[in-house]
Amino acid sequence: DAGVTQSPTHLIKTRGQQVTLRCSPKSGHDTVSWYQQALGQGPQFIFQYYEEEERQRGNFPDRFSGHQFPNYSSELNVNALLLGDSALYLCASSGYPGQGIPEQYFGPGTRLTVT
Amino acid sequence: GQNIDQPTEMTATEGAIVQINCTYQTSGFNGLFWYQQHAGEAPTFLSYNVLDGLEEKGRFSSFLSRSKGYSYLLLKELQMKDSASYLCAVTLNTDKLIFGTGTRLQVFP
Repeated sequence: DAGVTQSPTHLIKTRGQQVTLRCSPKSGHDTVSWYQQALGQGPQFIFQYYEEEERQRGNFPDRFSGHQFPNYSSELNVNALLLGDSALYLCASSGYPGQGIPEQYFGPGTRLTVT
Repeated sequence: GQNIDQPTEMTATEGAIVQINCTYQTSGFNGLFWYQQHAGEAPTFLSYNVLDGLEEKGRFSSFLSRSKGYSYLLLKELQMKDSASYLCAVTLNTDKLIFGTGTRLQVFP
């Protein structure tokens, strides 16, 4: 049973470009959350998708957008990249809230470097 | 706003016991997670507390006091492989996690 997968593993972009990161949730999970983790910091919540809709959003600008597909996989898009967007982007999947421990399983992350 | 505080760094000796504290002030509370994160890797689940008290799982235990907004992670019989960052995270609702900055633990022989 595959866990959470993310692609690509590493990515280098220049300022002003756009990037798309991909995530496939753990089998049986229908909720996907995205987090940004700067070096030496804890992950910061970007947004969460459930039933193909954005259910919650953190304090991130509109340059950050996402999508969830019918098979529950998800994309994170970032437009007009800034140097400060350089970080590890983590995807986490979870099952329906309320079923036991609401554990989030994290993917290996995508390391984005903006130059 | 939401505020979760943890010490930035801690050091300990192999075989020893270490306690990592976490205090939180959040608008709402469903439960508290502890995650372990090795450098360059994804966080991995260690424990979840929703009620006051101590949850023990092997060498790791986690404690929660909701009235005090306080939790700690206790690591016993430390091993070199326990050198990692330990993240405290509070969940408010619908699986959204609010993380502290993490505590980097270094275990020395």
